[in-house]
Amino acid sequence: AQKVTQAQTEISVVEKEDVTLDCVYETRDTTYYLFWYKQPPSGELVFLIRRNSFDEQNEISGRYSWNFQKSTSSFNFTITASQVVDSAVYFCALSGSSNTGKLIFGQGTTLQVKP
Amino acid sequence: DTEVTQTPKHLVMGMTNKKSLKCEQHMGHRAMYWYKQKAKKPPELMFVYSYEKLSINESVPSRFSPECPNSSLLNLHLHALQPEDSALYLCASSQGTGRASEQYFGPGTRLTVT
Repeated sequence: AQKVTQAQTEISVVEKEDVTLDCVYETRDTTYYLFWYKQPPSGELVFLIRRNSFDEQNEISGRYSWNFQKSTSSFNFTITASQVVDSAVYFCALSGSSNTGKLIFGQGTTLQVKP
Repeated sequence: DTEVTQTPKHLVMGMTNKKSLKCEQHMGHRAMYWYKQKAKKPPELMFVYSYEKLSINESVPSRFSPECPNSSLLNLHLHALQPEDSALYLCASSQGTGRASEQYFGPGTRLTVT
């Protein structure tokens, strides 16, 4: 069975703090893809990153960074020097076993960044 | 251009009404999706179209009827809905249905059934 767990339901930080959002996944597939999406209050899910199971290099994009560790089945997301505009719900997702387009979403983490 | 558009943004309808949601993308994507999202929950997949053919129906009640007139357009026809169908309806598209394909989402239609 495939599953994505985002144990942190809500996180509240003050602007300029660093924050890490956790994502743990379960799959029996050897080839799989992981995604992070951001959903601001406006509603649209914004694609942030895709990572395949064979690439364990960490990735950095501006203030965002991702740490993928197969040994612990985790794909964590860190925002450095958080800003109020980072306030949103963040979803981690795993691609389904077959090429159906199905995504297995975690329950999401609501991040509130206070000024 | 990674834009998926949806109309209308908001819709209020009675249980006997018939309405349609529309979705459009011009990225040349061949897969399109409908999701339903309740408050504080992740999106739930409803339908997947691949190359304009319905490939997945996640046991959605027949009061929801999808249609894909061409590769850029996706409609969701609504009829005899229930109050529990009130939710945010999201459309998404991707290059294909392969596991590596990231999905791009529209802003959604916020539906209220009275």
